[in-house]
Amino acid sequence: DAKTTQPTSMDCAEGRAANLPCNHSTISGNEYVYWYRQIHSQGPQYIIHGLKNNETNEMASLIITEDRKSSTLILPHATLRDTAVYYCIVRVVLNYGGSQGNLIFGKGTKLSVKP
Amino acid sequence: DAGVIQSPRHEVTEMGQEVTLRCKPISGHDYLFWYRQTMMRGLELLIYFNNNVPIDDSGMPEDRFSAKMPNASFSTLKIQPSEPRDSAVYFCASSLVPGGGLNTGELFFGEGSRLTVL
Repeated sequence: DAKTTQPTSMDCAEGRAANLPCNHSTISGNEYVYWYRQIHSQGPQYIIHGLKNNETNEMASLIITEDRKSSTLILPHATLRDTAVYYCIVRVVLNYGGSQGNLIFGKGTKLSVKP
Repeated sequence: DAGVIQSPRHEVTEMGQEVTLRCKPISGHDYLFWYRQTMMRGLELLIYFNNNVPIDDSGMPEDRFSAKMPNASFSTLKIQPSEPRDSAVYFCASSLVPGGGLNTGELFFGEGSRLTVL
């Protein structure tokens, strides 16, 4: 699986949008971009994933550049409860019957949402 | 569903003792993963299973570590003998094979087992 690069930490004001960047310049065609977050002492929690197109769900939006070498996770209205470490992971996702490939976590970005 | 269930939540033991961590994955999930998290090394994948068969154990640090999955609803991670450097939070996660639609292939993590080896 390709490696990712994320800033070590970021701050965001409560109520503002938090934009978390991720570089994955060696991503290959069959690798998806996944985002997880880990709130202090809890297990990581899935946020969103995508292949080429931008994606949105109830938690966040994912913007993937056209060349797929980078992406941005957007939390549209950050709250104090969004303070966490955010992990960007690229991962091969194969069809039914194939090996899934492991999920390798980097260091992530520690997002601090401030009042 | 209760989610991924791990036990014990906390374990304090002395160096040289055997430690067994347990995991019950979400019913129906095909994959089970064991991770270890420390401040220094972050989240490390130790081993993962597909349909109870170990697929990749290259992350298992050494022979003192072993993992088994005797059936679809139970897995163990054993450390024998334990050492202080094994102190960490151990997470178990499970997932379905990604199949599109509502199945995102996401990993569902348990709350972890915090191990302290004195």
